[in-house]
Amino acid sequence: AQTVTQSQPEMSVQEAETVTLSCTYDTSESNYYLFWYKQPPSRQMILVIRQEAYKQQNATENRFSVNFQKAAKSFSLKISDSQLGDTAMYFCAFQIRTGGFKTIFGAGTRLFVKA
Amino acid sequence: DAGVTQSPTHLIKTRGQQVTLRCSPKSGHDTVSWYQQALGQGPQFIFQYYEEEERQRGNFPDRFSGHQFPNYSSELNVNALLLGDSALYLCASSLRGVFAEAFFGQGTRLTVV
Repeated sequence: AQTVTQSQPEMSVQEAETVTLSCTYDTSESNYYLFWYKQPPSRQMILVIRQEAYKQQNATENRFSVNFQKAAKSFSLKISDSQLGDTAMYFCAFQIRTGGFKTIFGAGTRLFVKA
Repeated sequence: DAGVTQSPTHLIKTRGQQVTLRCSPKSGHDTVSWYQQALGQGPQFIFQYYEEEERQRGNFPDRFSGHQFPNYSSELNVNALLLGDSALYLCASSLRGVFAEAFFGQGTRLTVV
């Protein structure tokens, strides 16, 4: 089965602090991409960061970075210097190629950034 | 670049009716995927279209069907609506053959009463 598990339904963090969102996934594919998407109340999914599974180096995008552990099938997101605008639902996802491309999402983690 | 656009933004239908949702992909993209996002859950993959054909399908009944036009825009049709079909329907566009992030529209909120 191809699944994504986000074990933290809800988290909160103080503005300017650091928070880590957890994600584990399960797939038998060897070639895939991993993503973190943000969904604010406006509903539009916005890409936060992506990681190619064949790359060992962890991806970084400004205040956002990942800890990718391929053997453990773990893909956590670290948000540094949290800002009020980071308040949103965060979805972990992986994309595989089976004919077409299919993206599997987790159930999400709701993040609240407090002033 | 207008990005991915979906219409309508909100829709209310009665059980048993049929509905059509529309999606225009981001400029330069040729592949459209549809997702259903129930309240409080992550998006669930419905199907993907490329070259006007369904290329990949998730675990959804045949009541869910789609179409892609030569200009790459797409429609999602749902027949015999059930209360459980109430959800946010997201369209995402991408470029076939390339592992890449999908660009999402703002979705259509469908309420079945």
